[in-house]
Amino acid sequence: GAVVSQHPSWVICKSGTSVKIECRSLDFQATTMFWYRQFPKQSLMLMATSNEGSKATYEQGVEKDKFLINHASLTLSTLTVTSAHPEDSSFYICSTSNRAKGYDTQYFGPGTRLTVL
Amino acid sequence: QKEVEQDPGPLSVPEGAIVSLNCTYSNSAFQYFMWYRQYSRKGPELLMYTYSSGNKEDGRFTAQVDKSSKYISLFIRDSQPSDSATYLCAMNKNTDKLIFGTGTRLQVFP
Repeated sequence: GAVVSQHPSWVICKSGTSVKIECRSLDFQATTMFWYRQFPKQSLMLMATSNEGSKATYEQGVEKDKFLINHASLTLSTLTVTSAHPEDSSFYICSTSNRAKGYDTQYFGPGTRLTVL
Repeated sequence: QKEVEQDPGPLSVPEGAIVSLNCTYSNSAFQYFMWYRQYSRKGPELLMYTYSSGNKEDGRFTAQVDKSSKYISLFIRDSQPSDSATYLCAMNKNTDKLIFGTGTRLQVFP
């Protein structure tokens, strides 16, 4: 499978600050990247889908001005949580896929745990 | 009704047991079916991928898809304590967006 990294693996920040999370596809070109959020003991909730070089598509209920996504290259996507609040504390996971593989499976990063104080 | 239903468990079995994990779904357009394993505080890891109906085996793991019943299964033979994790089923059509089950928490005790 593909190798996907995320940085940082965990972050603690004060309420009102912004936090940037990086997602890197290390061994193949990721035409599409996905950002998920996962609360304790719950399944993954898709936040947005981003295609390289174009604007992200956000799921219903996800504020695009609060969760800024940039997918400037085939190996890097970033998620910025702006003006973070305690309710934004969660586990954020990215995944990558490549349509050239002929099927639409996804490979996940290790996740970033965000705690907002 | 959710598109994908999965019993959250927990499922507790002794080491060496055969484990059966299942999901049902409602959308007959789904064609690609996956099983992911997620350890606590880690990202999901792709275990098995199946296209359309049929069986697929990989070591101790067997994935089955029955499209007529809209039912998929993952079997784990000779289960080990290291198999203790949450198992997520996922599926999609010809698009990238995956639809996940809620996950089943499995505990294998020695």
